[in-house]
Amino acid sequence: DAGVIQSPRHEVTEMGQEVTLRCKPISGHNSLFWYRQTMMRGLELLIYFNNNVPIDDSGMPEDRFSAKMPNASFSTLKIQPSEPRDSAVYFCASTDNEDRAEVSGANVLTFGAGSRLTVL
Amino acid sequence: SQKIEQNSEALNIQEGKTATLTCNYTNYSPAYLQWYRQDPGRGPVFLLLIRENEKEKRKERLKVTFDTTLKQSLFHITASQPADSATYLCALLSSNTGKLIFGQGTTLQVKP
Repeated sequence: DAGVIQSPRHEVTEMGQEVTLRCKPISGHNSLFWYRQTMMRGLELLIYFNNNVPIDDSGMPEDRFSAKMPNASFSTLKIQPSEPRDSAVYFCASTDNEDRAEVSGANVLTFGAGSRLTVL
Repeated sequence: SQKIEQNSEALNIQEGKTATLTCNYTNYSPAYLQWYRQDPGRGPVFLLLIRENEKEKRKERLKVTFDTTLKQSLFHITASQPADSATYLCALLSSNTGKLIFGQGTTLQVKP
């Protein structure tokens, strides 16, 4: 398996533009996570899906952020409109949750390489 | 509130020495604790998981301890090498929110 695949690796955009980040989880993994990493706040969980269903989006900072998982092999994180404070590295991660309702502390995450977003 | 604390200051050690990194937590009762390694420009990579009823876990030159009384985990790298230089993150599942939460990470620099 090629691992968790994210695109684009780097994105530079201007304030107000729409940004779409993409993720392909590991085949067979049924839980998917979007994290954001900054120097100030570290890794923050934005949202996670179980079997393509959003379970907890309380980490999504504002209504400008939205995430979808239309099928088991694809997810998007969209920011519209983007702002300079959204500049960060966005990571997607997946795990095999064995069809449990929620992840447990034993769920090991496989991360993608990240998408570095710069909003000017 | 629940917190995970790792040394924000970088740890600099000489090659061959043992590196010890600390992860402290408050207001958690975790059943598991995980350690990840992150290299610049890459995503975190899982290293070790330890259960609450395990005092110690080893994997090659890595050793993790878990003291639920002290609410602390220690991560040791013995016979450290410059290739071990990276940021190391601990992670816990929050029983309140059901989310896997990461510490800020500690950067280790091993000098030849």
